[in-house]
Amino acid sequence: DVKVTQSSRYLVKRTGEKVFLECVQDMDHENMFWYRQDPGLGLRLIYFSYDVKMKEKGDIPEGYSVSREKKERFSLILESASTNQTSMYLCASSFRNYEQYFGPGTRLTVT
Amino acid sequence: AQRVTQPEKLLSVFKGAPVELKCNYSYSGSPELFWYVQYSRQRLQLLLRHISRESIKGFTADLNKGETSFHLKKPFAQEEDSAMYYCALRGGADGLTFGKGTHLIIQP
Repeated sequence: DVKVTQSSRYLVKRTGEKVFLECVQDMDHENMFWYRQDPGLGLRLIYFSYDVKMKEKGDIPEGYSVSREKKERFSLILESASTNQTSMYLCASSFRNYEQYFGPGTRLTVT
Repeated sequence: AQRVTQPEKLLSVFKGAPVELKCNYSYSGSPELFWYVQYSRQRLQLLLRHISRESIKGFTADLNKGETSFHLKKPFAQEEDSAMYYCALRGGADGLTFGKGTHLIIQP
């Protein structure tokens, strides 16, 4: 059974803080993804990675960066959090182009 | 650019009634289409994909390339079908492009 875990379910940060969101998968998947989910906007792809140390910009990468030092871990970094980054963040992983498995999400509030 | 449109934000039907969740897409090549579902307090999960052509939980979806649609259908809605449904497209090797979602409510 594929397991994708995210480090926090809820997170509250202040404007300007550096924020790290961690995602770990245990199925040796090459591909990992970060999305944000907002009411009325659906899911939007922020960044994805096909392999260790590789990263590709998604549809809304501005204000975010990522890190993939190990195959099982994909981190999303908000260098200087802003209130418009308040959202639900979903991590996903997949084996090649097969089904994406999602984590439970991290609800981030930036005050 | 690829785009997925779900015209209904909210769809409310009575238990036992047929359900159709609409999805239209825009993509110049040959896309792969998916339906994902998120039940209350649960993580997003795959419901079905067009290449498998199977029925999951009574739901089916047919890819209509002429109309660029991938509507999700179920002949008789059940209360446990209440959830948020997302149509998604993969046009190449990138991540998925999702629609904005349809909140399906099944009334008893």
